[in-house]
Amino acid sequence: KAGVTQTPRYLIKTRGQQVTLSCSPISGHRSVSWYQQTPGQGLQFLFEYFSETQRNKGNFPGRFSGRQFSNSRSEMNVSTLELGDSALYLCASSLVGAYYEQYFGPGTRLTVT
Amino acid sequence: QQPVQSPQAVILREGEDAVINCSSSKALYSVHWYRQKHGEAPVFLMILLKGGEQKGHEKISASFNEKKQQSSLYLTASQLSYSGTYFCGTASVSLTGGGADGLTFGKGTHLIIQP
Repeated sequence: KAGVTQTPRYLIKTRGQQVTLSCSPISGHRSVSWYQQTPGQGLQFLFEYFSETQRNKGNFPGRFSGRQFSNSRSEMNVSTLELGDSALYLCASSLVGAYYEQYFGPGTRLTVT
Repeated sequence: QQPVQSPQAVILREGEDAVINCSSSKALYSVHWYRQKHGEAPVFLMILLKGGEQKGHEKISASFNEKKQQSSLYLTASQLSYSGTYFCGTASVSLTGGGADGLTFGKGTHLIIQP
């Protein structure tokens, strides 16, 4: 069974730009959650999508948004990038939700200059 | 609020036991444990639910004290492969109902197992 895939793996953007990250969950999984990981703050929950609907949301500004498609693939968008947005962005898929066992992808390393 | 993990780091010899603690100031519905090796994605270990039983898998088990809002992860007869950073994630309400702020993770406990 193929694991969670994320594209791109590495990204360098300039402050003020926007970026879109993609996540393909394990086949059959309907839940996709997004996390930001930084050395200072650790793992922080961004949001969870389940069957194309945002079900839970963390404490991040509105510049961070996401969506999920009918095939469960998910995208995360960050607008007006700030230097502090530099981080590893992880997505995790689950059969029923973040409440249950989650499988993490390898992450997208975003660097904002 | 972020749960507090202790210790922050621990170094053990292969075969020794380890206990990692996770404490929250909020009433908890569930506690989730993950392990992350350097440069890799976190890997699920187990979930403990309010009112549930102590979970275990081979030599790794965990407990959840609902009254104290604390969970402990027990690694018995540690192996070299146990090295990594252990994270606990907590949820104060069921996440399946929606409207929750997701899992809140602690800063992690770095575990180093030496031969």
